[in-house]
Amino acid sequence: DIQMTQSPSSLSASVGDRVTITCRASQSISNYLNWYQQKPGKAPKLLIYGATSLQSGVPSRFSGSGSGTDFTLTISSLQPEDFATYYCQQSYSTLITFGQGTRLEIK
Amino acid sequence: EVQLVESGGGLVQPGGSLRVSCAASRFTFSTSAMSWVRQAPGKGLEWLSRISGSGDNTQYADSVKGRFTISRDNSKNTLYLQMNSLRAEDTAVYYCARDISSWYLSSWGQGTLVTVSA
Repeated sequence: DIQMTQSPSSLSASVGDRVTITCRASQSISNYLNWYQQKPGKAPKLLIYGATSLQSGVPSRFSGSGSGTDFTLTISSLQPEDFATYYCQQSYSTLITFGQGTRLEIK
Repeated sequence: EVQLVESGGGLVQPGGSLRVSCAASRFTFSTSAMSWVRQAPGKGLEWLSRISGSGDNTQYADSVKGRFTISRDNSKNTLYLQMNSLRAEDTAVYYCARDISSWYLSSWGQGTLVTVSA
């Protein structure tokens, strides 16, 4: 299985901050990398697919970059509603795997 | 907007069986692959299984292969996950998700909680 490792596992930030979350794959996955946001008690929500493509309806302050094994999710200016847990997910393999999650908390 | 509604969760004893369902609407269900993903309490996301739109092709994570069976009834716009030989570690919220070309999970249901306990 392809292992996905996110860093950091948790992060404290303030409204208006620029935040970057990193995801590393155990082997090259080209651009088959997606990002999801999950708020407590809610289902995950797709933010970014194909490493860089913004899902319809997602604010433009979210962006993704990377290819191969190293990827980043960037939030350009944190808003109160962005405090949540973020997961990366690879779909290079037919057996999907997720990162362990990054919890973004208010400082 | 796509709608996915899971049901069928509950309390089941270890070694028991349970079938959870996912009712789909507002998209062409019969041409869409679907996946099941679970989340144990306080833990991350774990993909379990995928089924093609026709139902002919299925994949499973090693953790559930041989115990869980994914299926669908396109006449009822419903996805199923039959879970057998349940263990305490299968306790989780089970989500269904629309699987776009085995590439990304574009829409998710609200989840149904399965608790395996004596």
